[in-house]
Amino acid sequence: QKEVEQNSGPLSVPEGAIASLNCTYSDRGSQSFFWYRQYSGKSPELIMFIYSNGDKEDGRFTAQLNKASQYVSLLIRDSQPSDSATYLCAVNRPGGSYIPTFGRGTSLIVHP
Amino acid sequence: DGGITQSPKYLFRKEGQNVTLSCEQNLNHDAMYWYRQDPGQGLRLIYYSQIVNDFQKGDIAEGYSVSREKKESFPLTVTSAQKNPTAFYLCASLTGFGSYTFGSGTRLTVV
Repeated sequence: QKEVEQNSGPLSVPEGAIASLNCTYSDRGSQSFFWYRQYSGKSPELIMFIYSNGDKEDGRFTAQLNKASQYVSLLIRDSQPSDSATYLCAVNRPGGSYIPTFGRGTSLIVHP
Repeated sequence: DGGITQSPKYLFRKEGQNVTLSCEQNLNHDAMYWYRQDPGQGLRLIYYSQIVNDFQKGDIAEGYSVSREKKESFPLTVTSAQKNPTAFYLCASLTGFGSYTFGSGTRLTVV
């Protein structure tokens, strides 16, 4: 069973700080990587996706991918209390089936 | 607005009872998925369907069944063979980016 590992947290950061969320994966053939945000009691929603090595920025969010080291990270700049949620890392299984393996998620708490 | 509608939001099942969770989408997506989420756990794949009248078992299909008679609909039945069904059930469809759009979920509790 291929694994996607995340620190469960909680990760606590002050408002306005940078939150750094990390994810490692075991299958070297993985090509597509996703970050979902899940508020308590709600369903996940897509934050970002990344396919190529390097950084991808979207507003306050930056996804970073390093395939050689098999990790993907999500940076949240100027963190707000509304960013408090669980962040799920998802890695598509190789073979084109578009079925991801999900990590267990990292709980982020942004305190005022 | 396009999206995925799951119903009911809360469902209570008695021992030995079969229950069906509804999932309807108006996104015109071909592929649909059912996941189960337990507290502190990642999402686990139950069943998926890439096209009408075809579906595949996921990682934890035992005790569940599905049908895909229409593109818009992918209902999940939790049978009495599923011994620990209490969980949050999520239906999803595949977007053009290879990511998922999720429904709002059904929380199933055994009473």
